[in-house]
Amino acid sequence: SAVISQKPSRDICQRGTSLTIQCQVDSQVTMMFWYRQQPGQSLTLIATANQGSEATYESGFVIDKFPISRPNLTFSTLTVSNMSPEDSSIYLCSVEGRSDEKLFFGSGTQLSVL
Amino acid sequence: QKEVEQDPGPLSVPEGAIVSLNCTYSNSAFQYFMWYRQYSRKGPELLMYTYSSGNKEDGRFTAQVDKSSKYISLFIRDSQPSDSATYLCAMEGGTYKYIFGTGTRLKVLA
Repeated sequence: SAVISQKPSRDICQRGTSLTIQCQVDSQVTMMFWYRQQPGQSLTLIATANQGSEATYESGFVIDKFPISRPNLTFSTLTVSNMSPEDSSIYLCSVEGRSDEKLFFGSGTQLSVL
Repeated sequence: QKEVEQDPGPLSVPEGAIVSLNCTYSNSAFQYFMWYRQYSRKGPELLMYTYSSGNKEDGRFTAQVDKSSKYISLFIRDSQPSDSATYLCAMEGGTYKYIFGTGTRLKVLA
């Protein structure tokens, strides 16, 4: 399994500001994934981040709102830009296992926007 | 119709009970099935992972897959208060594509 460190663990932000979430993995991985988990809803994939190329965004998510960086094979950031209360959610970083189809998650970032 | 359906609960059981958590799915192409446990304010933790139909056991946990009925289950024997958490089912539906249930909240009462 992979060990994934994510920070901050939680934050309370003002409307209109931006927050950058960091994700560090203890081993090199090709793909890193960013998910959103809203109360009472299933995990929703925001984007897939591949080192050295632009992230691939899912329907309903755009780069201007959720810019992602992937500078190397163990690190990624997700920025939530120009936040509104609707962005209040848990944001999760994840990676696949090395040899099979298992998804591992970081500890998550609980974001509240006032 | 959602691809994966999961009863949100909450499900309350006394300590020591056998817990049954279930998901149904609609896409017969799903090949890999996972169960995650998520404690409050934490990320999901992978509990069980199965590929084929049948049962897989790990300690107090048993994962069961019935592909013909498109139905998966997680059984917890001798449930403990520390098992109180939200349990998410998930399915791998293609390269880098995972579909999650909404989660079932479980409370084991001491």
